[in-house]
Amino acid sequence: DAGVIQSPRHEVTEMGQEVTLRCKPISGHNSLFWYRQTMMRGLELLIYFNNNVPIDDSGMPEDRFSAKMPNASFSTLKIQPSEPRDSAVYFCASRTTGMNTEAFFGQGTRLTVV
Amino acid sequence: AQRVTQPEKLLSVFKGAPVELKCNYSYSGSPELFWYVQYSRQRLQLLLRHISRESIKGFTADLNKGETSFHLKKPFAQEEDSAMYYCALSGGAFKYIFGTGTRLKVLA
Repeated sequence: DAGVIQSPRHEVTEMGQEVTLRCKPISGHNSLFWYRQTMMRGLELLIYFNNNVPIDDSGMPEDRFSAKMPNASFSTLKIQPSEPRDSAVYFCASRTTGMNTEAFFGQGTRLTVV
Repeated sequence: AQRVTQPEKLLSVFKGAPVELKCNYSYSGSPELFWYVQYSRQRLQLLLRHISRESIKGFTADLNKGETSFHLKKPFAQEEDSAMYYCALSGGAFKYIFGTGTRLKVLA
């Protein structure tokens, strides 16, 4: 397995544009997490899914952020419209549910909104 | 509410000195605690988990339920330990949260 795959690796966009980040979890993992990494706040949990169902989206900063998981092998995080303060590294992670299981991370998407 | 606190953003130590990265948590149930490490330009990866009571790369961490802490320790720091370290808590409803991270710099 190639691990968790995120695309794109880097995204530069203008303020006001729509941005879509993509994630392919590890096959067989039934939990998927989206995190945002910044210097100030560290690794913030935005939303997570279990068996493709969103469980908790309380970490999503604003209505401009939305996430979907249409099937077990794909998830998207969308920002519309994007703003400069959204600039950060966005990580996707997946794991199997169970006691003390490890979360496997993707390489991240570095988003810059100018 | 579940919460993980890492009070230090940056910790600088000299090579060969002991290291302690602090982590405190808040969770009403039985916590599952982890330490993750992110080396420069690499993805986050698991360093160790409390249930295993293992030593990885010389690092150990003990769960102290009385103090709600899970500090990461190493007796003698090495330059290759320089990285970002995150403490993580897995609690109810499949949630998996991280602290704000501590950057460890080991000076020659």
